Amino acid sequence: QSALTQPASVSGSPGQSITISCTGTSSDVGSYNLVSWYQQHPGKAPKLMIYEVSKRPSGVSNRFSGSKSGNTASLTISGLQAEDEADYYCCSYAGSSTFGVVFGGGTKLTVL
Amino acid sequence: QLQLQESGPGLVKPSETLSLTCTVSGGSISSSSYYWGWIRQPPGKGLEWIGSIYYSGSTYYNPSLKSRVTISVDTSKNQFSLKLSSVTAADTAVYYCARHNLPLNWFDPWGQGTLVTVSS
Repeated sequence: QSALTQPASVSGSPGQSITISCTGTSSDVGSYNLVSWYQQHPGKAPKLMIYEVSKRPSGVSNRFSGSKSGNTASLTISGLQAEDEADYYCCSYAGSSTFGVVFGGGTKLTVL
Repeated sequence: QLQLQESGPGLVKPSETLSLTCTVSGGSISSSSYYWGWIRQPPGKGLEWIGSIYYSGSTYYNPSLKSRVTISVDTSKNQFSLKLSSVTAADTAVYYCARHNLPLNWFDPWGQGTLVTVSS
């Protein structure tokens, strides 16, 4: 049960769009549409931003969107704002044989 | 709204057992469809799922920690608990509890987290 692979960091200017990738395997991301994304500001608890690949919880800005292709899921943030600067983590279901929930290593988003 | 709060010792000695409790308020831990989970985050590192429990007592654990982890639930107190045995410095982390929609694989909301340091 290995962690999902995310870029260590991404950056963008206010108003721009960025995409964070989350690469797994055919045993997790590739097999299930059960990817969620979390935003974490320093010293704070993670916050659910996307679930089931592309669904947004109530109250989450529509500037956040998710998608998946093959073994890679993606989080896109459009119209970047200063408050979007945070760490982002993806999470995937990893199969029923051992039942696993696996997280990505996290991506630091810097708004320039 | 639903809130979760972790509690327990902030310092544990190596080889001993780490024990934490999560108190749920604003809703019942016996709600159907939801599990209740523990996730940890070593300082400066990423998130790691530890395990989750249903109000009936059904549990699922991270295979890498399974031999050392016990999660239990007390519906009368609206609490669930974590025990991690034989701890080492590698178990130093912020420990979070969260409601876990297991079938759909999402965690929300989360507790504020509690730092547990393993040191003699």
